[in-house]
Amino acid sequence: DGGITQSPKYLFRKEGQNVTLSCEQNLNHDAMYWYRQDPGQGLRLIYYSQIVNDFQKGDIAEGYSVSREKKESFPLTVTSAQKNPTAFYLCASSIASITGNGYTFGSGTRLTVV
Amino acid sequence: AQRVTQPEKLLSVFKGAPVELKCNYSYSGSPELFWYVQYSRQRLQLLLRHISRESIKGFTADLNKGETSFHLKKPFAQEEDSAMYYCALRGYGQNFVFGPGTRLSVLP
Repeated sequence: DGGITQSPKYLFRKEGQNVTLSCEQNLNHDAMYWYRQDPGQGLRLIYYSQIVNDFQKGDIAEGYSVSREKKESFPLTVTSAQKNPTAFYLCASSIASITGNGYTFGSGTRLTVV
Repeated sequence: AQRVTQPEKLLSVFKGAPVELKCNYSYSGSPELFWYVQYSRQRLQLLLRHISRESIKGFTADLNKGETSFHLKKPFAQEEDSAMYYCALRGYGQNFVFGPGTRLSVLP
């Protein structure tokens, strides 16, 4: 089960806390992505990064932050500003954003606010 | 703007029956279309892409630019096909846009 690893699988957060979700890939992919998956809404893009030290906001970036200090790693921080953070978070990577290749997805992190 | 619609949230068919999962898109240029599948307790994975014109696990999908559709079809559904299916679009140099997904349930 290599390729792209997300941790932890389950995460519980108290109101007002920041939490960081880990995403690591050993596929030598340039591009990495964070999606949020909610029932009936499909996948919505939070942030993406096409190259190290660079990233862009997706459709629902408010309340989230990311960093891309290494090619292999793209952690996502869910801040206390995110109004409805309980969701399933998926990380993905691809060779490059311009080609027609598909994504490789991680197994996801389920975040619950308690 | 890029948009993908999947009109059915849930589709139930009996084993051996044909299945068609609908996908429509809006995009001004020439898009690339994909189908992703998520089986229970497994990660989301690529099923097929229109550019390959391939058949995977008996599924096919044809891009119809006139109708802006990319419906996924299989002539004889199997119980192991039960999963969540997402249609996705990608414009040149752009990110994927996913549809809301259709849950396929194949009944014995």
